[in-house]
Amino acid sequence: AQSVTQPDARVTVSEGASLQLRCKYSSSVTPYLFWYVQYPRQGLQLLLKYYSGDPVVQGVNGFEAEFSKSNSSFHLRKASVHWSDSAVYFCAVRANYGNEKITFGAGTKLTIKP
Amino acid sequence: DTTVKQNPRYKLARVGKPVNLICSQTMNHDTMYWYQKKPNQAPKLLLFYYDKILNREADTFEKFQSSRPNNSFCSLYIGSAGLEYSAMYLCASSRDRGLAEQFFGPGTRLTVL
Repeated sequence: AQSVTQPDARVTVSEGASLQLRCKYSSSVTPYLFWYVQYPRQGLQLLLKYYSGDPVVQGVNGFEAEFSKSNSSFHLRKASVHWSDSAVYFCAVRANYGNEKITFGAGTKLTIKP
Repeated sequence: DTTVKQNPRYKLARVGKPVNLICSQTMNHDTMYWYQKKPNQAPKLLLFYYDKILNREADTFEKFQSSRPNNSFCSLYIGSAGLEYSAMYLCASSRDRGLAEQFFGPGTRLTVL
């Protein structure tokens, strides 16, 4: 069984400030991890993914995430946010074998203040 | 073109009436998925087609039907809508069932009255 917890339903950050969105996962096996973003009136888009290797993975638009096996976490970070980053961000996990389904977190709504 | 299209974008249905939602993709993807998303909840996988084979989740097995008449189209069918079916329905597709990225449509917002 696997699950994802995004403890912050809403986060507000000033433009230009740094950002961290938290994600905790539970998986009985080594997981594959994802961050998806959903902009208003659009579908979910893959931001970045972690399969193995370097625990820090880079994504689009300056986003990165760090996998921590000891903390069961996969937090998303950005050094300097832009107003266009306002969106809902979903963390997701799947098992690293077979054709297992992806399990999503409930999402974190990010609002950027001018 | 990496677009997944969904029709309609908004759907109003009466309790007890059937509902049919449509999804299409032109990426020649093997797998198409349907998720249900309610406010402040995670997207929940309902079912998926791998080629012509339908796989339905155990806890929603009897509530949703689907068809895939060809590689590009996939429908989600509710035989008798209940109030609890009000949600956003997300369609996605991927090149295969493995690690390939899922591409999502914008969703259909279903309101059951």
